[in-house]
Amino acid sequence: DQQVKQNSPSLSVQEGRISILNCDYTNSMFDYFLWYKKYPAEGPTFLISISSIKDKNEDGRFTVFLNKSAKHLSLHIVPSQPGDSAVYFCAATANAGGTSYGKLTFGQGTILTVHP
Amino acid sequence: NAGVTQTPKFHILKTGQSMTLQCAQDMNHGYMSWYRQDPGMGLRLIYYSAAAGTTDKEVPNGYNVSRLNTEDFPLRLVSAAPSQTSVYLCASSYSKPPGLAGVPYEQYFGPGTRLTVT
Repeated sequence: DQQVKQNSPSLSVQEGRISILNCDYTNSMFDYFLWYKKYPAEGPTFLISISSIKDKNEDGRFTVFLNKSAKHLSLHIVPSQPGDSAVYFCAATANAGGTSYGKLTFGQGTILTVHP
Repeated sequence: NAGVTQTPKFHILKTGQSMTLQCAQDMNHGYMSWYRQDPGMGLRLIYYSAAAGTTDKEVPNGYNVSRLNTEDFPLRLVSAAPSQTSVYLCASSYSKPPGLAGVPYEQYFGPGTRLTVT
């Protein structure tokens, strides 16, 4: 039962253009969402997050949008750079009694390739 | 700070053998977790510990953990099977302080152990 889904295994974008990575979830209990970036042979690193009480969070070139009614979030990267080429994972977590924020449910990942 | 360290980086195991994957963090984090990463599946949570002395199993069989102190969270494969071929990632984060509502802390991941079971 995949509670967090990234339906696009890969995305190819030209340098300078916008990259849009999508993520859908099914569990209504999720109240915090995160994006992680992973380079080969390294662990994932945190990129940006959003609480369920917001619909947008921005950090430099990265913006995450949350549509709770559609159970959908997206990561926008503008402008895209070759160094952004990596696997991007969407993750979700739920604060059940204040003890569950340590558990993340991840999507399958999207491989982003930014061409110079 | 070294952050989250994992050893070994790579290992090949025969079916039925046992092995312990090591994970350590030096950030005084309460939460520690083990995930496995498989192609097309993303990262899946295997075991979780909210603090030293407590563990919470997320998958039914084949793995065991201990959390004797804050720093170390070793993962043991009891009798390895080919289905356990994967990249294993250890993560840690601060526990949410009691009484405070709000955002979860960032999880820090180790570089991973690539395990092949033949």
